[in-house]
Amino acid sequence: GENVEQHPSTLSVQEGDSAVIKCTYSDSASNYFPWYKQELGKRPQLIIDIRSNVGEKKDQRIAVTLNKTAKHFSLHITETQPEDSAVYFCAASNRDDKIIFGKGTRLHILP
Amino acid sequence: EAGVVQSPRYKIIEKKQPVAFWCNPISGHNTLYWYRQNLGQGPELLIRYENEEAVDDSQLPKDRFSAERLKGVDSTLKIQPAELGDSAVYLCASSFITGPSGNTIYFGEGSWLTVV
Repeated sequence: GENVEQHPSTLSVQEGDSAVIKCTYSDSASNYFPWYKQELGKRPQLIIDIRSNVGEKKDQRIAVTLNKTAKHFSLHITETQPEDSAVYFCAASNRDDKIIFGKGTRLHILP
Repeated sequence: EAGVVQSPRYKIIEKKQPVAFWCNPISGHNTLYWYRQNLGQGPELLIRYENEEAVDDSQLPKDRFSAERLKGVDSTLKIQPAELGDSAVYLCASSFITGPSGNTIYFGEGSWLTVV
């Protein structure tokens, strides 16, 4: 079955700098890759997603890139702000809509 | 629009006791998921329903866990008897399947279970 690895587990960046979170997946049939943000005690919320027919997608300060050959995808947050502090989860889904999540990255934005 | 609603939000029980969680998905969503999230981990799928049918329950510990989705809307997840290792957040999610894949799932706030 699908396995999603996520790195790093913890990331601290200075406010205003960029943050990058990387994920790899094992199932070459996976074709949908969402990213979720989870604040403490809150529900995971979708922030951006990408499908396998696209290499890059951007939404304001957030961008996601996908390399199907290498089976890895990354989340990029530019000009980080205090409200970006949260846990971020990558996920991969195949045709069966079984969404497998990574273990998460705890992002700290330092003042 | 109302999101996915779960209850109770918090539950503390003694081991060997039963517990049940309830979920009301977003109106019109045909697919419902139950995930378990341990502290510091990502959500892990327990069971997925398409309408009333459980299409993926391979990760559900069937000796003590059960779930149902009567009439293809609300769902309940039950644990009986609970064990210490069942302490986790139980997340319900729903989506509207429109194509072969890539359908956004929306999570509820979760039911936080502590077994003592």
